[in-house]
Amino acid sequence: QVTLRESGPALVKPTQTLTLTCSFSGFSLSTGGMCVSWIRQPPGKALEWLARIDWDDDEYYSAYLKTRLTISKDTSKKQVVLTMTNMDPVDTATYYCVRTVGSGWLLDYWGQGTLVTVSS
Amino acid sequence: QSVLTQPPSASGTPGQRVTISCSGSSSNIGSNNVNWYQQLPGTAPKLLIYSNNQRPPGVPDRFSGSKSGTSASLAISGLQSEDEADYYCGAWDDSLKGYVFGTGSKVTVL
Repeated sequence: QVTLRESGPALVKPTQTLTLTCSFSGFSLSTGGMCVSWIRQPPGKALEWLARIDWDDDEYYSAYLKTRLTISKDTSKKQVVLTMTNMDPVDTATYYCVRTVGSGWLLDYWGQGTLVTVSS
Repeated sequence: QSVLTQPPSASGTPGQRVTISCSGSSSNIGSNNVNWYQQLPGTAPKLLIYSNNQRPPGVPDRFSGSKSGTSASLAISGLQSEDEADYYCGAWDDSLKGYVFGTGSKVTVL
């Protein structure tokens, strides 16, 4: 079955760079149409899409955050990594790794999420 | 930054029908498919409706979706207590070249 799991620091200081890793199983990022997205949700607030990487290495970024984000993949390790620079307290959120299927943007399998708090 | 607008809340008694709207623009809902997600308290969201009106396997047929112009709707018929959750719409935005979510709607079963 398809599973995704996020890992990374629970606490980062302002101005630091956040690195999150998504480890997945049950599908391959070399299969046509398969993609992985990162989505975040500040406490008590709405979902916000951050970035997506595709089976063919295409990358998509939120227009609001693109200067701070980098997404990459290691197909053989079944991992996707998201880095976000210059962290700020407003970036405190639960970060989700999500399997995304093709042009229909089916966010069909979600990780459990990891809470990242930005504080000095 | 939520580009799609939803009512903050909706409610109904068990067995009633509840609808949630999602308002967008020509660059998102007007030209792309809409998906809906259900987020039960303390859990990750789950895909509920895709391509405007399609249900993934395992989603009860009490849930239905529709789209007209630059708006979409999610309907829950025969409301049940386990439907208490937050619901989000989502769609690709051609102008932003990114995926956008709605503001979210909390459904309460009275």
